[in-house]
Amino acid sequence: DTGVSQDPRHKITKRGQNVTFRCDPISEHNRLYWYRQTLGQGPEFLTYFQNEAQLEKSRLLSDRFSAERPKGSFSTLEIQRTEQGDSAMYLCASSPFQVGTQYFGPGTRLTVL
Amino acid sequence: AQTVTQSQPEMSVQEAETVTLSCTYDTSESDYYLFWYKQPPSRQMILVIRQEAYKQQNATENRFSVNFQKAAKSFSLKISDSQLGDAAMYFCAYRPYNNNDMRFGAGTRLTVKP
Repeated sequence: DTGVSQDPRHKITKRGQNVTFRCDPISEHNRLYWYRQTLGQGPEFLTYFQNEAQLEKSRLLSDRFSAERPKGSFSTLEIQRTEQGDSAMYLCASSPFQVGTQYFGPGTRLTVL
Repeated sequence: AQTVTQSQPEMSVQEAETVTLSCTYDTSESDYYLFWYKQPPSRQMILVIRQEAYKQQNATENRFSVNFQKAAKSFSLKISDSQLGDAAMYFCAYRPYNNNDMRFGAGTRLTVKP
């Protein structure tokens, strides 16, 4: 059973550096979501793709953040000029149709020093 | 704005007993979905149970059931015959029918005592 996978699982970077995370959704799922989860909180929605189209973005997604899903399969989330406040778990989820259940990946834990 | 409130940061239950986790939400929508997700320590989030707002019947999945009170905007999770493997953070989540912005509560940490 191939679930949602994310890479890397952990990333430590220095403030000001750029980082990129990858998400591979479940193969037949055309919906893909990114969330951010800080310690002690529930996930917060960042953005959503339907196939390769980015259809929704949260106000949390500042201009330092960019997400892509070039061929409607895997997605990348890039954070430019990282700040300490960006330290969090970044979760990816996918679903087969709009109202379907979202299946989550294991997350990428980012630490900005 | 839709918000989800979990008023119990921590709960504990004896193995084989029953525990209920609370969740309330605020919305002006009439069509929406509610979810309970489980996040074990250092492991990924998995769906426990899902409820469509238009359904009056409470959802049930094996030992897990919900008490959905639409008028009161309440969505509690009951875990029967608790097992050690149920220990985790439990998140209540709300999602409007025509929107992909799913909102989560802050979570309830459940401890199961042997």
